[in-house]
Amino acid sequence: SSDLTQDPAVSVALGQTVNITCQGTSLKYYYPNWYLQKPGQAPLLVIYGKNNRPSGIPGRFSGSRSGNTAALTITGAQAEDEADYYCDSRDVSGIHLGVFGGGTKLTVL
Amino acid sequence: EVQVMESGGGFFQPGGSLRLSCLASGFSVTGHYVSWVRQAPGKGLEWISVIYYDGSTHYANSVKGRFTISRDTSKNTVYLQMDNLRVDDTAVYYCARRLVGPYEDWFDPWGRGTQVFISS
Repeated sequence: SSDLTQDPAVSVALGQTVNITCQGTSLKYYYPNWYLQKPGQAPLLVIYGKNNRPSGIPGRFSGSRSGNTAALTITGAQAEDEADYYCDSRDVSGIHLGVFGGGTKLTVL
Repeated sequence: EVQVMESGGGFFQPGGSLRLSCLASGFSVTGHYVSWVRQAPGKGLEWISVIYYDGSTHYANSVKGRFTISRDTSKNTVYLQMDNLRVDDTAVYYCARRLVGPYEDWFDPWGRGTQVFISS
């Protein structure tokens, strides 16, 4: 299986832009997905594939990938965006299991 | 509405067994991949098992040989049989549908999770 690496914590001032990154070999071959998780709640998909937002996810969330690094960008961060963010992609083996990063705690100041 | 709902969690002893259930609605478990993902207290997400639309299965090394994923198509339900429980199996267990594209897989929707406590 492959490993995905995320920074443990990131902070952003209210209304500013923040990038949350994810690195791993599988990202050379497969697009990442991003989930946010608030305390006591289940993860919620915010970006999948090349840069797709599920219905109901605000447009300030976007995704990108370059080489083995992916980024989730929040343009104009809001207080309600404070959460843990996890990246995930298909395993390098091609098996449709999940490979998660360790998660990034986003603090909105 | 497409959703999944877990059940079966609770308090269990090391060495014991339990079975978690994941009831799917709005989609058929025979037409999709369905996974179990767990989250230990204060930790990140850990994928543990998947059952393919054709019934084939895969497991994380941490649970291989102890956990078994299966499904009942008549009930549109996926199960996770957990045997030889260990204290470090304590976690919230989530069920999630795995959607598949040409170059991407993603989990959606997720259930609310069921809490499993393993302690003597």
